[in-house]
Amino acid sequence: SQTIHQWPATLVQPVGSPLSLECTVEGTSNPNLYWYRQAAGRGLQLLFYSVGIGQISSEVPQNLSASRPQDRQFILSSKKLLLSDSGFYLCAWSRRWISGNTIYFGEGSWLTVV
Amino acid sequence: KNEVEQSPQNLTAQEGEFITINCSYSVGISALHWLQQHPGGGIVSLFMLSSGKKKHGRLIATINIQEKHSSLHITASHPRDSAVYICAVGTMDSNYQLIWGAGTKLIIKP
Repeated sequence: SQTIHQWPATLVQPVGSPLSLECTVEGTSNPNLYWYRQAAGRGLQLLFYSVGIGQISSEVPQNLSASRPQDRQFILSSKKLLLSDSGFYLCAWSRRWISGNTIYFGEGSWLTVV
Repeated sequence: KNEVEQSPQNLTAQEGEFITINCSYSVGISALHWLQQHPGGGIVSLFMLSSGKKKHGRLIATINIQEKHSSLHITASHPRDSAVYICAVGTMDSNYQLIWGAGTKLIIKP
């Protein structure tokens, strides 16, 4: 069966520090991968999606970046965090295409920038 | 007006009650998703449907394509059903984006 893991689960980072959130998927190949952010009391916002190794599409301009160094690995990064980056980050995967396939989420990562 | 509207925004009920959460959309869709977000933040996919009705345990999801409306029902509700229920739609215009509803926060009291 397929599983998705992301880590760390929680982190508190000072403004200006770097960020790295990692997500891995097991039990499937060539998944579509997604990074979402959920601000407090708000809906899900798609940040990045990837259809293959090294292929990243950004939905929202910001100081975050994403990379997909391996087929089932997706990384969310920042060189310098802002206070506004605080939120709940979720990694997800789907078979192609999301419009007709179930989406599976990781456990989420709570980021507090102080 | 949002393309995906959920109602009610908040719902509190007693254990055992029959629960209905509604989702209306204004775009052409390829599929509609119902998801559950637990208090800890994790999100679980409950249903994906493009027509008719699906049932899993005490949960039932229906969709009326002509009326652009879907409902999620919970029979014999239990405090462990307390969560945020989210409706999202996939459209013909994008293979990557879902349009998300704002969610319905459900509290079931014992």
